[in-house]
Amino acid sequence: GDSVTQMEGPVTLSEEAFLTINCTYTATGYPSLFWYVQYPGEGLQLLLKATKADDKGSNKGFEATYRKETTSFHLEKGSVQVSDSAVYFCALPSGNTGKLIFGQGTTLQVKP
Amino acid sequence: DADVTQTPRNRITKTGKRIMLECSQTKGHDRMYWYRQDPGLGLRLIYYSFDVKDINKGEISDGYSVSRQAQAKFSLSLESAIPNQTALYFCATSDPTRRSADTQYFGPGTRLTVL
Repeated sequence: GDSVTQMEGPVTLSEEAFLTINCTYTATGYPSLFWYVQYPGEGLQLLLKATKADDKGSNKGFEATYRKETTSFHLEKGSVQVSDSAVYFCALPSGNTGKLIFGQGTTLQVKP
Repeated sequence: DADVTQTPRNRITKTGKRIMLECSQTKGHDRMYWYRQDPGLGLRLIYYSFDVKDINKGEISDGYSVSRQAQAKFSLSLESAIPNQTALYFCATSDPTRRSADTQYFGPGTRLTVL
């Protein structure tokens, strides 16, 4: 079945460091791919998405490129801020139910 | 006001008690979902509903039931709570008729602790 695998956390970085959170997937066909973010005490928010191969999703300085050949959708940011501290989830829709399959989440902590 | 709301936000209960978690949305979406989040496991689907008359089990529905009272309301019940149902519960909505049909919108979550 469809699945998503994320790198294990927590990831701890200093402010202005470069961020990469790895995500790989297994899926039937070529579904859209998502990154959701969960700030402390809040629900999940859509961070970015890509709908087809080679698409790049971007938002708030974060980017991720849909790589069909490596079945990956790695999240990157060139210079993280303390306010980026959160849990990040990679996800894809599965089947015709619309349900999302999530990775296990990666906690990012950015220190001043 | 938030588009997807959940009540209560936090709940502590005892084993064997019946608990209802409620979700309301003002987005006008037909599809609604209940997920639970456990550390290291991501989110897993409990139930989903395509409309008031169409309710389906997700991957971990045992021990849970749902009610879709209206397009805007989708409730999750634990008939007899047990400690391993301690988790963070999220409601989500989506609109299959829109261009971004596969995007889901989440509520703030309910933190449930079963003692």
